[in-house]
Amino acid sequence: RKEVEQDPGPFNVPEGATVAFNCTYSNSASQSFFWYRQDCRKEPKLLMSVYSSGNEDGRFTAQLNRASQYISLLIRDSKLSDSATYLCVVDPSGSARQLTFGSGTQLTVLP
Amino acid sequence: DGGITQSPKYLFRKEGQNVTLSCEQNLNHDAMYWYRQDPGQGLRLIYYSQIVNDFQKGDIAEGYSVSREKKESFPLTVTSAQKNPTAFYLCASGQGLVDEQYFGPGTRLTVT
Repeated sequence: RKEVEQDPGPFNVPEGATVAFNCTYSNSASQSFFWYRQDCRKEPKLLMSVYSSGNEDGRFTAQLNRASQYISLLIRDSKLSDSATYLCVVDPSGSARQLTFGSGTQLTVLP
Repeated sequence: DGGITQSPKYLFRKEGQNVTLSCEQNLNHDAMYWYRQDPGQGLRLIYYSQIVNDFQKGDIAEGYSVSREKKESFPLTVTSAQKNPTAFYLCASGQGLVDEQYFGPGTRLTVT
């Protein structure tokens, strides 16, 4: 089983739609969780950290379910500019020494 | 303004040659990291350094070497011993224990 698993997609959604991605992780002792966004042939950029209580940043909402070992990312009112690959990232040790990256979920928002 | 720079953006080498990729940061971060990304795959950790003059192997260190003589700089050498060196190489930095990592723009290395 992979340490961090994501549905690779692609997810093709119309502009204005709501889309959700899930990511599962295998190490129950994992401490920190993040969502990164990666545009084609560019570097990953931090989208948001994921806190136990869940957190929201504008149209983006991230949630953590420790019991089921998954994190989710919800994007509301999708924009064309949201088209990218979304990487689920887990820090199993809480030390930021060895972040584990999922392979990413590809999102295309269609006009 | 602060950030992480990597050079060059594209690099082409012949098989059997060593090549060094540059990574510089002016964020005053203690920790620096090197990853490689292959098409359709997640990032894999090559080496990391938590402090000057110290570094640790990541998951795929074989065929690579690093140095950390200055806080701002963490160069990666891809040696001829690396079996499949063609990849997208990403350098990152972070403020240590629990903070997020921030990435440079990457270097695409092609070895033929």
